[in-house]
Amino acid sequence: KQEVTQIPAALSVPEGENLVLNCSFTDSAIYNLQWFRQDPGKGLTSLLLIQSSQREQTSGRLNASLDKSSGRSTLYIAASQPGDSATYLCAVYMFSGGYNKLIFGAGTRLAVHP
Amino acid sequence: GAVVSQHPSWVICKSGTSVKIECRSLDFQATTMFWYRQFPKQSLMLMATSNEGSKATYEQGVEKDKFLINHASLTLSTLTVTSAHPEDSSFYICSASPITSGYEQYFGPGTRLTVT
Repeated sequence: KQEVTQIPAALSVPEGENLVLNCSFTDSAIYNLQWFRQDPGKGLTSLLLIQSSQREQTSGRLNASLDKSSGRSTLYIAASQPGDSATYLCAVYMFSGGYNKLIFGAGTRLAVHP
Repeated sequence: GAVVSQHPSWVICKSGTSVKIECRSLDFQATTMFWYRQFPKQSLMLMATSNEGSKATYEQGVEKDKFLINHASLTLSTLTVTSAHPEDSSFYICSASPITSGYEQYFGPGTRLTVT
């Protein structure tokens, strides 16, 4: 059974710091991996989608890497800002029961203070 | 593009009543729609997967008679929580996979259900 773990569970940093969020998964037979952002009481915003054949994706100050063989992904946030404060979720696509299902980690709650 | 809406955004109901939540793909047709539940400070847990015109497939531990899913068209799926109890209070989020993409899921904004 696929398990997705995110470390750390919570992180508080001063504005301007570069930071790394970690995600690991137990079954390397994933289809793709996706990072999301969730603000309190809100739905999900997709940040980056990495296909299984790719090693990284970049969007603005965000960079996500994927190492399928070791079951790891990292999300790098450069020059953090208070507006980056949110919960960041890592999720893997697994083919199961005829569908491509998303399995989520528990998330990293990020607080960036001025 | 790829916008998914949910209605209502929040609902309060009394214990024992039923409540229906709608999930719509606004600018695409969805082969498959998914329903998730999220308890406070926890991650999203998949409840069920549905294709238009077929019965939903429920994840282990999810009561299909309590959480009724109807995928009536390629743009609409509904989740009905029957005989709701306070422990059903949660954040319910749906997602939809476009016919064209094959797998990627686009998420709705969620529905906050409170059962009193």
